[in-house]
Amino acid sequence: DAGVTQSPTHLIKTRGQQVTLRCSPISGHKSVSWYQQVLGQGPQFIFQYYEKEERGRGNFPDRFSARQFPNYSSELNVNALLLGDSALYLCASSPAEYEQYFGPGTRLTVT
Amino acid sequence: AQSVTQLGSHVSVSEGALVLLRCNYSSSVPPYLFWYVQYPNQGLQLLLKYTTGATLVKGINGFEAEFKKSETSFHLTKPSAHMSDAAEYFCAVKFYNQGGKLIFGQGTELSVKP
Repeated sequence: DAGVTQSPTHLIKTRGQQVTLRCSPISGHKSVSWYQQVLGQGPQFIFQYYEKEERGRGNFPDRFSARQFPNYSSELNVNALLLGDSALYLCASSPAEYEQYFGPGTRLTVT
Repeated sequence: AQSVTQLGSHVSVSEGALVLLRCNYSSSVPPYLFWYVQYPNQGLQLLLKYTTGATLVKGINGFEAEFKKSETSFHLTKPSAHMSDAAEYFCAVKFYNQGGKLIFGQGTELSVKP
């Protein structure tokens, strides 16, 4: 079975621009979560979606938004990019209440 | 506040030696507990999890962890390190009242010397 897939793999943007990251969960998984991992740190929770509804939001500014589609894929949008948004963005999908399975991530560099 | 602490940002062992990576959580209610491994330029792979039941859990690649409620700990061990174990290891917790949110520790980089 295919794992969690994310696109693009790498992305370079300029300060002030907007970016959209995409995630496809493992088949049958209805929950998708997004995390930001800054170099040298553990991942930080951004959002969780379940059945197209937001179930949780981390301590991130309103510049960050997300949505989940009927096929359970998800997009993460970040507006007005700052240098500090440079990070690895990880998507995870869940079959149930407990474990989460992570994709390879999208490396975002803001210059 | 609910949190996770990994003691030691870097651990170095010799090939064949015991691996011990430490994780403690701060909460009055035991959470669900996880260990993930991250190889360079990759996502996170689930090693093992504790939800309920037996407190000693076995995972992939020969790793295991023991949940000790009295010590609020969930340390990861492997009897004999292999060169391929060199990676970043993250302890994570999920609390009952926080939906799907995983809280991660800062990570421990494991180096294995030949």
